[in-house]
Amino acid sequence: AQSVTQLDSHVSVSEGTPVLLRCNYSSSYSPSLFWYVQHPNKGLQLLLKYTSAATLVKGINGFEAEFKKSETSFHLTKPSAHMSDAAEYFCVVSPPYNQGGKLIFGQGTELS
Amino acid sequence: DGGITQSPKYLFRKEGQNVTLSCEQNLNHDAMYWYRQDPGQGLRLIYYSQIVNDFQKGDIAEGYSVSREKKESFPLTVTSAQKNPTAFYLCASSRGQGFSQPQHFGDGTRLSIL
Repeated sequence: AQSVTQLDSHVSVSEGTPVLLRCNYSSSYSPSLFWYVQHPNKGLQLLLKYTSAATLVKGINGFEAEFKKSETSFHLTKPSAHMSDAAEYFCVVSPPYNQGGKLIFGQGTELS
Repeated sequence: DGGITQSPKYLFRKEGQNVTLSCEQNLNHDAMYWYRQDPGQGLRLIYYSQIVNDFQKGDIAEGYSVSREKKESFPLTVTSAQKNPTAFYLCASSRGQGFSQPQHFGDGTRLSIL
Protein backbone atom coordinates (compact mmCIF):
# COMPACT_ATOMS: atom_id res chain seq x y z
CA ALA A 1 0.00 0.00 0.00
CA GLN A 2 1.11 3.51 -0.74
CA SER A 3 1.36 6.04 2.07
CA VAL A 4 3.06 9.27 3.05
CA THR A 5 4.04 10.46 6.52
CA GLN A 6 4.96 13.99 7.48
CA LEU A 7 7.01 13.58 10.59
CA ASP A 8 6.20 16.94 12.20
CA SER A 9 2.75 18.48 12.51
CA HIS A 10 4.26 21.83 13.44
CA VAL A 11 7.68 23.43 12.88
CA SER A 12 8.71 26.80 14.26
CA VAL A 13 11.79 28.70 13.04
CA SER A 14 13.20 32.20 13.30
CA GLU A 15 13.38 34.40 10.24
CA GLY A 16 16.70 33.93 8.48
CA THR A 17 17.31 30.41 9.83
CA PRO A 18 17.09 27.18 7.80
CA VAL A 19 13.84 25.30 7.29
CA LEU A 20 13.53 21.50 7.28
CA LEU A 21 10.16 19.79 6.77
CA ARG A 22 10.36 16.01 6.83
CA CYS A 23 8.47 13.55 4.67
CA ASN A 24 8.72 9.77 4.37
CA TYR A 25 6.81 7.73 1.85
CA SER A 26 5.96 4.11 1.28
CA SER A 27 5.62 2.82 -2.25
CA SER A 28 6.26 -0.46 -3.98
CA TYR A 29 7.62 1.35 -7.02
CA SER A 30 9.30 4.69 -7.61
CA PRO A 31 6.52 7.25 -7.28
CA SER A 32 6.28 10.87 -8.30
CA LEU A 33 6.52 13.16 -5.29
CA PHE A 34 5.31 16.71 -4.77
CA TRP A 35 5.42 19.42 -2.15
CA TYR A 36 2.56 21.89 -1.99
CA VAL A 37 2.09 25.01 0.15
CA GLN A 38 -1.25 26.32 1.44
CA HIS A 39 -1.74 29.78 2.89
CA PRO A 40 -4.82 30.40 5.08
CA ASN A 41 -8.12 30.16 3.21
CA LYS A 42 -6.32 29.52 -0.06
CA GLY A 43 -5.83 26.58 -2.37
CA LEU A 44 -2.67 24.52 -2.66
CA GLN A 45 0.24 25.84 -4.70
CA LEU A 46 2.83 23.52 -6.20
CA LEU A 47 6.31 24.16 -4.78
CA LEU A 48 8.23 21.43 -6.59
CA LYS A 49 7.97 17.92 -8.01
CA TYR A 50 10.17 14.86 -8.37
CA THR A 51 9.56 12.56 -11.32
CA SER A 52 12.60 10.25 -11.45
CA ALA A 53 15.01 12.74 -12.97
CA ALA A 54 17.57 14.55 -10.75
CA THR A 55 17.27 13.57 -7.09
CA LEU A 56 17.78 17.16 -5.90
CA VAL A 57 14.79 19.17 -7.01
CA LYS A 58 14.66 22.96 -6.94
CA GLY A 59 11.32 24.68 -6.56
CA ILE A 60 9.88 28.13 -6.24
CA ASN A 61 10.65 30.67 -3.49
CA GLY A 62 14.06 29.14 -2.72
CA PHE A 63 12.75 25.74 -1.63
CA GLU A 64 14.34 22.48 -2.64
CA ALA A 65 13.91 18.80 -1.81
CA GLU A 66 16.08 15.73 -2.08
CA PHE A 67 14.75 12.33 -3.05
CA LYS A 68 16.52 9.58 -1.12
CA LYS A 69 15.33 6.18 -2.25
CA SER A 70 17.36 4.27 0.36
CA GLU A 71 15.68 6.25 3.13
CA THR A 72 12.31 6.60 1.35
CA SER A 73 12.42 10.28 2.20
CA PHE A 74 11.67 13.52 0.40
CA HIS A 75 12.48 16.29 2.87
CA LEU A 76 11.83 19.94 2.01
CA THR A 77 14.47 22.54 2.86
CA LYS A 78 15.13 26.25 2.52
CA PRO A 79 18.39 27.93 3.57
CA SER A 80 16.81 31.04 5.06
CA ALA A 81 13.21 31.37 6.23
CA HIS A 82 11.12 34.42 5.45
CA MET A 83 7.99 35.61 7.21
CA SER A 84 6.00 34.97 4.05
CA ASP A 85 6.89 31.25 4.29
CA ALA A 86 4.50 30.80 7.23
CA ALA A 87 1.89 28.37 5.89
CA GLU A 88 0.82 24.71 5.79
CA TYR A 89 2.98 22.37 3.70
CA PHE A 90 1.84 19.08 2.22
CA CYS A 91 3.98 16.23 0.97
CA VAL A 92 2.13 14.31 -1.74
CA VAL A 93 2.76 10.96 -3.40
CA SER A 94 1.52 9.95 -6.82
CA PRO A 95 2.11 6.22 -7.15
CA PRO A 96 2.75 4.69 -10.55
CA TYR A 97 -0.12 2.74 -12.05
CA ASN A 98 -2.50 4.86 -10.03
CA GLN A 99 -6.11 5.18 -11.01
CA GLY A 100 -7.18 8.45 -12.54
CA GLY A 101 -4.30 10.46 -11.16
CA LYS A 102 -5.31 9.97 -7.53
CA LEU A 103 -2.85 11.49 -5.09
CA ILE A 104 -1.96 10.51 -1.54
CA PHE A 105 -1.63 13.50 0.79
CA GLY A 106 0.32 13.76 4.00
CA GLN A 107 -1.38 15.27 7.02
CA GLY A 108 0.46 18.55 6.61
CA THR A 109 3.13 20.48 8.52
CA GLU A 110 2.37 23.94 9.78
CA LEU A 111 5.39 26.22 9.49
CA SER A 112 5.49 29.27 11.72
CA ASP B 1 -4.12 34.11 -16.87
CA GLY B 2 -5.09 30.45 -16.83
CA GLY B 3 -6.38 28.98 -13.64
CA ILE B 4 -9.18 27.43 -11.63
CA THR B 5 -12.06 29.51 -10.32
CA GLN B 6 -14.20 28.31 -7.45
CA SER B 7 -17.36 30.07 -6.37
CA PRO B 8 -18.70 31.16 -4.05
CA LYS B 9 -15.87 31.67 -1.59
CA TYR B 10 -18.23 31.23 1.38
CA LEU B 11 -21.51 29.28 1.39
CA PHE B 12 -24.09 28.57 4.05
CA ARG B 13 -26.46 25.62 4.00
CA LYS B 14 -29.71 25.16 5.84
CA GLU B 15 -30.82 21.80 7.17
CA GLY B 16 -32.28 19.61 4.42
CA GLN B 17 -30.97 21.82 1.64
CA ASN B 18 -28.83 20.87 -1.34
CA VAL B 19 -26.11 23.32 -2.36
CA THR B 20 -23.89 23.40 -5.43
CA LEU B 21 -20.27 24.51 -5.53
CA SER B 22 -18.92 25.77 -8.82
CA CYS B 23 -15.53 24.91 -10.32
CA GLU B 24 -14.36 26.25 -13.68
CA GLN B 25 -10.93 25.86 -15.30
CA ASN B 26 -9.43 27.45 -18.41
CA LEU B 27 -6.24 25.38 -18.40
CA ASN B 28 -7.60 22.93 -21.00
CA HIS B 29 -7.03 20.11 -18.52
CA ASP B 30 -8.74 16.76 -19.02
CA ALA B 31 -8.90 15.63 -15.40
CA MET B 32 -10.69 17.38 -12.53
CA TYR B 33 -11.02 16.57 -8.84
CA TRP B 34 -12.96 17.55 -5.72
CA TYR B 35 -11.41 17.36 -2.26
CA ARG B 36 -12.66 17.99 1.24
CA GLN B 37 -10.34 19.48 3.85
CA ASP B 38 -11.11 19.43 7.58
CA PRO B 39 -9.01 21.20 10.24
CA GLY B 40 -5.81 19.34 11.05
CA GLN B 41 -6.38 16.79 8.33
CA GLY B 42 -5.02 16.28 4.87
CA LEU B 43 -7.16 16.35 1.77
CA ARG B 44 -9.70 13.62 1.11
CA LEU B 45 -10.90 12.85 -2.42
CA ILE B 46 -14.64 13.11 -3.03
CA TYR B 47 -15.00 12.61 -6.80
CA TYR B 48 -12.79 12.79 -9.84
CA SER B 49 -13.31 12.94 -13.58
CA GLN B 50 -10.82 11.97 -16.25
CA ILE B 51 -12.91 12.99 -19.24
CA VAL B 52 -16.17 14.72 -20.12
CA ASN B 53 -19.31 12.76 -19.23
CA ASP B 54 -17.41 10.38 -16.99
CA PHE B 55 -16.56 10.50 -13.29
CA GLN B 56 -15.67 8.14 -10.45
CA LYS B 57 -16.22 8.09 -6.72
CA GLY B 58 -13.31 8.93 -4.48
CA ASP B 59 -12.82 7.94 -0.88
CA ILE B 60 -15.72 9.90 0.65
CA ALA B 61 -18.39 10.22 -2.06
CA GLU B 62 -21.44 9.53 0.12
CA GLY B 63 -23.73 12.55 0.33
CA TYR B 64 -22.17 14.25 -2.70
CA SER B 65 -22.87 14.29 -6.43
CA VAL B 66 -21.09 15.72 -9.48
CA SER B 67 -21.53 16.21 -13.20
CA ARG B 68 -19.05 16.74 -16.03
CA GLU B 69 -20.97 18.01 -19.04
CA LYS B 70 -18.20 20.34 -20.21
CA LYS B 71 -14.43 19.97 -20.12
CA GLU B 72 -13.97 23.20 -18.21
CA SER B 73 -16.67 22.71 -15.56
CA PHE B 74 -17.03 20.22 -12.69
CA PRO B 75 -19.72 21.32 -10.19
CA LEU B 76 -20.15 19.56 -6.85
CA THR B 77 -23.53 19.24 -5.12
CA VAL B 78 -23.59 18.70 -1.38
CA THR B 79 -26.87 16.93 -0.71
CA SER B 80 -28.96 16.81 2.45
CA ALA B 81 -27.70 13.25 2.90
CA GLN B 82 -24.28 14.65 3.85
CA LYS B 83 -24.76 15.02 7.60
CA ASN B 84 -21.50 16.81 8.34
CA PRO B 85 -20.87 19.11 5.38
CA THR B 86 -18.98 21.86 7.21
CA ALA B 87 -15.53 21.91 5.60
CA PHE B 88 -13.26 23.62 3.11
CA TYR B 89 -13.80 22.27 -0.40
CA LEU B 90 -11.05 22.36 -3.00
CA CYS B 91 -11.29 21.75 -6.72
CA ALA B 92 -8.25 20.74 -8.76
CA SER B 93 -7.35 19.85 -12.32
CA SER B 94 -4.48 18.16 -14.12
CA ARG B 95 -3.38 17.76 -17.71
CA GLY B 96 -3.98 14.03 -17.62
CA GLN B 97 -4.10 11.08 -15.31
CA GLY B 98 -0.42 10.26 -15.62
CA PHE B 99 1.26 9.87 -12.28
CA SER B 100 3.80 12.60 -12.96
CA GLN B 101 1.16 15.23 -13.63
CA PRO B 102 0.78 17.73 -10.78
CA GLN B 103 -2.65 18.99 -9.86
CA HIS B 104 -3.52 22.68 -9.90
CA PHE B 105 -5.91 23.96 -7.24
CA GLY B 106 -8.56 26.64 -6.94
CA ASP B 107 -8.85 28.87 -3.86
CA GLY B 108 -11.62 26.82 -2.29
CA THR B 109 -15.15 27.23 -0.99
CA ARG B 110 -15.83 27.24 2.74
CA LEU B 111 -19.21 25.65 3.52
CA SER B 112 -20.94 26.15 6.84
CA ILE B 113 -24.25 25.07 8.34
CA LEU B 114 -26.79 27.64 9.45
